[in-house]
Amino acid sequence: NAGVMQNPRHLVRRRGQEARLRCSPMKGHSHVYWYRQLPEEGLKFMVYLQKENIIDESGMPKERFSAEFPKEGPSILRIQQVVRGDSAAYFCASSPAGGLNQPQHFGDGTRLSIL
Amino acid sequence: EDQVTQSPEALRLQEGESSSLNCSYTVSGLRGLFWYRQDPGKGPEFLFTLYSAGEEKEKERLKATLTKKESFLHITAPKPEDSATYLCAVTYNTDKLIFGTGTRLQVFP
Repeated sequence: NAGVMQNPRHLVRRRGQEARLRCSPMKGHSHVYWYRQLPEEGLKFMVYLQKENIIDESGMPKERFSAEFPKEGPSILRIQQVVRGDSAAYFCASSPAGGLNQPQHFGDGTRLSIL
Repeated sequence: EDQVTQSPEALRLQEGESSSLNCSYTVSGLRGLFWYRQDPGKGPEFLFTLYSAGEEKEKERLKATLTKKESFLHITAPKPEDSATYLCAVTYNTDKLIFGTGTRLQVFP
């Protein structure tokens, strides 16, 4: 059952290092979404991508965060110079096409801890 | 600011004790309302999509309904395996989901 695959499941970084989170969408899905879940808070939208295009990045912090979804390979969420406040669970979701009739299916997340 | 509010925050039920979870929203121009289930350490698992007031969807012991300002997730005769956090989310002018903070359901045998 090839669901949305995220790796690593757990990632530990020291302050100032870079974190790279990967997401492989479900087979046949070309739309990827990234969400962040802070402790005791709800899931917050970060960015929506299609192959080689960023469609909506209204939830991305202005600095240090970037995302890509290349023609080949997984989507990558990159956090540069991590700080303690970046500690959270980062979830990726995918859908076969954008739009109302296509629910987003989630991976099991990457739990990022900053020392 | 558009918001999604879920209540109660936590709910403890005896096995077989039916109840309802509430999700109220203030977005303008709702396109869809989604229910997800999330188990500890896992990602949200899709349950239902509702599009318009009056619509209902059912799956096993779960039934979701939608009005113009809120949605209910009814749980009939719950079992311990229904214990999870239930999340509500909406879309309006884009495909991004706006989530509530969830209801943590515990069902005791």
